[in-house]
Amino acid sequence: DTEVTQTPKHLVMGMTNKKSLKCEQHMGHRAMYWYKQKAKKPPELMFVYSYEKLSINESVPSRFSPECPNSSLLNLHLHALQPEDSALYLCASSQALAGVKETQYFGPGTRLLVL
Amino acid sequence: AQSVAQPEDQVNVAEGNPLTVKCTYSVSGNPYLFWYVQYPNRGLQFLLKYITGDNLVKGSYGFEAEFNKSQTSFHLKKPSALVSDSALYFCAVRDYMNRDDKIIFGKGTRLHILP
Repeated sequence: DTEVTQTPKHLVMGMTNKKSLKCEQHMGHRAMYWYKQKAKKPPELMFVYSYEKLSINESVPSRFSPECPNSSLLNLHLHALQPEDSALYLCASSQALAGVKETQYFGPGTRLLVL
Repeated sequence: AQSVAQPEDQVNVAEGNPLTVKCTYSVSGNPYLFWYVQYPNRGLQFLLKYITGDNLVKGSYGFEAEFNKSQTSFHLKKPSALVSDSALYFCAVRDYMNRDDKIIFGKGTRLHILP
């Protein structure tokens, strides 16, 4: 099973709202990732967690706040977003962080629209 | 720095014909290369990867890729295209030179299979 699930599939929010994106995997992977993907562009890395600790923060604005409550779950908390934050948000996981041979498996994504 | 280039924004192929999606890479050291496919409004799906060994790598859905060290290429191929292969394809390289564990994606190539 190489499944990564994400909820919700679609999200519409105003600039003053607070919402959360959720990601879950049950493959025993210890590295989890958040990516942002604009239309017709490749994914851009936002955050990486390794063993539930934040390992990489790609200078993402503080209105995005990641959380890894356990080894299977990854959340992305959203607050005071801007319309330009509208995108497809992808979660991925891999068995380990530092293994260059590791494959990242992606979820279906949450399509976010900020009004 | 590691990088990949996908020279074609779009490739059109008639159903039943062989297809090739091009990718070239630039790395310092051994390359770790991946192909992902993204169907409309979906996340990325792993197709195949090259780590070491045989230059011809076989992957999911009948796809294969040929690693060519002298030409620094990793082209994706399929002997007989299906309409259902129409999607966005990303070549990627693992950036293992830094402590961070990042995948560097190409810009993507949109594949249209014409019935």
